[in-house]
Amino acid sequence: NAGVTQTPKFRVLKTGQSMTLLCAQDMNHEYMYWYRQDPGMGLRLIHYSVGEGTTAKGEVPDGYNVSRLKKQNFLLGLESAAPSQTSVYFCASGRTNEKLFFGSGTQLSVL
Amino acid sequence: GQQLNQSPQSMFIQEGEDVSMNCTSSSIFNTWLWYKQDPGEGPVLLIALYKAGELTSNGRLTAQFGITRKDSFLNISASIPSDVGIYFCAGQLGGAGTALIFGKGTTLSVSS
Repeated sequence: NAGVTQTPKFRVLKTGQSMTLLCAQDMNHEYMYWYRQDPGMGLRLIHYSVGEGTTAKGEVPDGYNVSRLKKQNFLLGLESAAPSQTSVYFCASGRTNEKLFFGSGTQLSVL
Repeated sequence: GQQLNQSPQSMFIQEGEDVSMNCTSSSIFNTWLWYKQDPGEGPVLLIALYKAGELTSNGRLTAQFGITRKDSFLNISASIPSDVGIYFCAGQLGGAGTALIFGKGTTLSVSS
């Protein structure tokens, strides 16, 4: 069972570079989320989606964009990476917006 | 934004000890959840609570939805080494479509 799959698992970027993180879920979930996890800060919501074609801003959306063109995929984009975006990124999905299933994370370093 | 105050921030215990942690807020929540994150993995749901005063168990774990709806508690009995990880509380303020708010986590270390 794949569940929630995040790619890539690790990435190193230079300041100003762009990249896209892909999240794919095979559970037919409506709700999908992108969080970032930093030491001592817990999980902070970046963007989320309540269904195909919809997106909404979370707590820390600046510097990120998202798209949900297909129900099973939720993409997180960084147009111009900054060192402050060095973090571990988690995607999550759920049939409801409570019981979430998380991916195993993407560790991103911006130099 | 809304905040969940989770305590303690970290705990160092001996195998076999019981553990208690809690989460508080100045806001009233409709739902409380507890997640656990193993090292190098994403969080996994442990317990979900939906009613004030509700007490729910999952094996050696027991969680309670506070009467005031502003807090929740998680207890782990007879801890074992695999209990190591970060425990997150999460709450939902509104109804469907409202995203969860997560606490900053309690890091649990268990020595055998």
